[in-house]
Formats: sequence, C-alpha cells, structure tokens
Amino acid sequence: GNSVTQMEGPVTLSEEAFLTINCTYTATGYPSLFWYVQYPGEGLQLLLKATKADDKGSNKGFEATYRKETTSFHLEKGSVQVSDSAVYFCALSDRGDMRFGAGTRLTVKP
Amino acid sequence: GAGVSQSPSNKVTEKGKDVELRCDPISGHTALYWYRQSLGQGLEFLIYFQGNSAPDKSGLPSDRFSAERTGGSVSTLTIQRTQQEDSAVYLCASSLNPAGGGEQYFGPGTRLTVT
Repeated sequence: GNSVTQMEGPVTLSEEAFLTINCTYTATGYPSLFWYVQYPGEGLQLLLKATKADDKGSNKGFEATYRKETTSFHLEKGSVQVSDSAVYFCALSDRGDMRFGAGTRLTVKP
Repeated sequence: GAGVSQSPSNKVTEKGKDVELRCDPISGHTALYWYRQSLGQGLEFLIYFQGNSAPDKSGLPSDRFSAERTGGSVSTLTIQRTQQEDSAVYLCASSLNPAGGGEQYFGPGTRLTVT
C-alpha cells in the first residue's frame, strides 16, 4: 500500500540555519506530493505541493522537488526563522488515497 | 462559512459511552477525510469519502468506529463504547479534486477525552 516515511524529530536549529527534512514515499501509482505545516495552536495547512515528477513546489522560502527516481520529496529552506517553528508533515495523494508521514517537529531558536 | 467546520470542538465522555463527531466540508468539495491525531503523534488516516461512498475504510481502528456521509456533504464519525485509547484530536478535511492532486483543507478538529 501507499505510505510516507519522514525524518524523525525533533529538529532544533538556530535562526538562519539551513533546514532539510527528509521524506520518502511508496506508492503504486503516480501520486501528488505535499508538505503540510501545523503551527502551534493552529490547524494543518498546505505549505507546498508537486503533482508530477521533477516539479518543484515552493512557498515562504521552503522548497521541495518531486524525485521519482529516489521516491523522495525532501523539504528545504536556506535560512530558517523563529516563526518557522512548527510540525511539518509530508503527504501523498494517489487518486484520492491520502497518506501522511508521522510529522517532524522543528524548533528554531533565536 | 468558507472553511471546514467540526463540532463539537471539545468532547469529554465516560468510558463505554457512544460519541458522534460532525464535519461540515467546504461546499462543493467531493472528497472528505477523517484522521486521528494523538498527543505528540502524526496523523492516522481513518476513512475517506468520495461523494457518499467510502472506497477506503481500511484505517478504521476497530468495528466500534463507523462513519457516514449524506447528500455528499456533512459527515459523522461515530465511536461506540468509547475506550480511553480513543482520546485524541479527530480531524476532518475536504478536497475538491483529490485525484488531480487537490489540496486538503482541514477543520479545527474535535478534541475527544474519554475518562
């Protein structure tokens, strides 16, 4: 079946550090890939997405590239801010079948 | 309203009682999802509706859990004979075009506490 595996947290970084959160997937079809974010005390919201191989999703300085050859969708940001502290979820959608990773908690310290 | 709404926002119930959780998706969204998020845990997929039918019920943790959706809109998740391990936040999401990679929009969740 379809599944998503993402880097376990928690991750603690200093402000302006480089961020990578790894995500790999298993799917029988050709899924769309997503990163969702949950800020403290808020609901889940979409951060970025990519719907086909080699697409790059980007938003708020975050990027992720859909790599079919490595079945990966790693999240990156060049310079994190304190306001990026949140839980990040990698997810896939395969013809409506949606699966989420376990989530990675990021804390950015000033 | 513009977003996904869920009710109640909080529910405290005694072990053994039945509870019903409600989700109102965004108008026009054909797909509806239920998830469970336990404290400090990720999202556990429960069930997915496309219209009124549920092609995937594989995530329901036991036969005490059931869900229905009527009129392609409102959905209810029912937990019978609640147990303490059912305590979690239950999230609902809806999507317009899931097969085409459509974004999911999440509701605020129902926090269920079983005492």
